[in-house]
Amino acid sequence: AQTVTQSQPEMSVQEAETVTLSCTYDTSENNYYLFWYKQPPSRQMILVIRQEAYKQQNATENRFSVNFQKAAKSFSLKISDSQLGDTAMYFCAALNDYKLSFGAGTTVTVRA
Amino acid sequence: DAGVIQSPRHEVTEMGQEVTLRCKPISGHDYLFWYRQTMMRGLELLIYFNNNVPIDDSGMPEDRFSAKMPNASFSTLKIQPSEPRDSAVYFCASRQGALEAFFGQGTRLTVV
Repeated sequence: AQTVTQSQPEMSVQEAETVTLSCTYDTSENNYYLFWYKQPPSRQMILVIRQEAYKQQNATENRFSVNFQKAAKSFSLKISDSQLGDTAMYFCAALNDYKLSFGAGTTVTVRA
Repeated sequence: DAGVIQSPRHEVTEMGQEVTLRCKPISGHDYLFWYRQTMMRGLELLIYFNNNVPIDDSGMPEDRFSAKMPNASFSTLKIQPSEPRDSAVYFCASRQGALEAFFGQGTRLTVV
């Protein structure tokens, strides 16, 4: 079994500032994948970024980057230069044994 | 590809009625997932299929729920009889191997 924990229910950030969302997971596997998904008010689930556990280098996608700490089982998401369109709920997810499990989500509000 | 297609987008039904949710995965994807999203419980994995075969249905809440995948391009999730506590957004997602999952727009089910 695996668990994904997001300890921040809500975060607020000023436009153009940086916000970091935390995520921890529990797995007994050595090879797995981690994801951050974004769910805007339209409720569509959109992939933001992906990290493969066997890769030490942190993944980056434009303004989105992760801090992957394998030993600590931590996978945080940093949103730089926040934009109003980043307002959404963000879910951390872990793929293990072909099963994708999600955290409870963090609601991010970007203030103008 | 049009992505994962779910129908209907919204469904309102009376308690006790049968409800069928439909999903067309992305062509070529060999995994299909059904998730339920509620405020209280977040995103829960109900069941997933690999090559049309159900692999893990441990998340199906009770016998009133059933899912089928008669071929690689179609899956259904049926609730019979429906109850008010089944009200939620139901997502279908598909994936190829260990790559990221792509989600449909979801079906918002309201049981009155």
